Amino acid sequence: GENVEQHPSTLSVQEGDSAVIKCTYSDSASNYFPWYKQELGKRPQLIIDIRSNVGEKKDQRIAVTLNKTAKHFSLHITETQPEDSAVYFCAARFMKTSYDKVIFGPGTSLSVIP
Amino acid sequence: EAQVTQNPRYLITVTGKKLTVTCSQNMNHEYMSWYRQDPGLGLRQIYYSMNVEVTDKGDVPEGYKVSRKEKRNFPLILESPSPNQTSLYFCASSLSTSGGLQYFGPGTRLLVL
Repeated sequence: GENVEQHPSTLSVQEGDSAVIKCTYSDSASNYFPWYKQELGKRPQLIIDIRSNVGEKKDQRIAVTLNKTAKHFSLHITETQPEDSAVYFCAARFMKTSYDKVIFGPGTSLSVIP
Repeated sequence: EAQVTQNPRYLITVTGKKLTVTCSQNMNHEYMSWYRQDPGLGLRQIYYSMNVEVTDKGDVPEGYKVSRKEKRNFPLILESPSPNQTSLYFCASSLSTSGGLQYFGPGTRLLVL
């Protein structure tokens, strides 16, 4: 079945350093890959997304890359700040004629140390 | 203000007592979905709906029901709750099936005794 793996499960970085979170997906038919940030006690918020016809997308300090051949995608956060501390989830959308599912990875808890 | 609302936000109930968690969006979104979030397991999709009267199972549908009679509402029904359904539940919506889940509700924390 469809599956999304995410690594690492926890990540600690010094303020100002970069953070990278990697995800792999199982179904080559996936065509949409969003990333969510969830602060403690709050709802997930979409922070960036990428479609299968694009290799890279940037939004200020955040970037996402996609390698369709290898079926993996990554989130890159540069110049990390304490407010970047949160749980980050990758997801993949599996769309076929009979269904349209979104599968989330298990999450990465990012801590940015001042 | 564009938003997804859920009610109730917190609920304590007992095994077997039917309950409904409501979800409503004011953005005319076609796609709506329910997730449960458990520690270490991330968010798992329970049911989703691509439009009115169109619903389908996600990864963990057992013990849940949904309905989509109106575009704005997508209630989650637990006919006979059990303790293993204790969880944090999120409703989400997006404009179309080609986009992501752009809006999440605030969450409903459910405890089944």
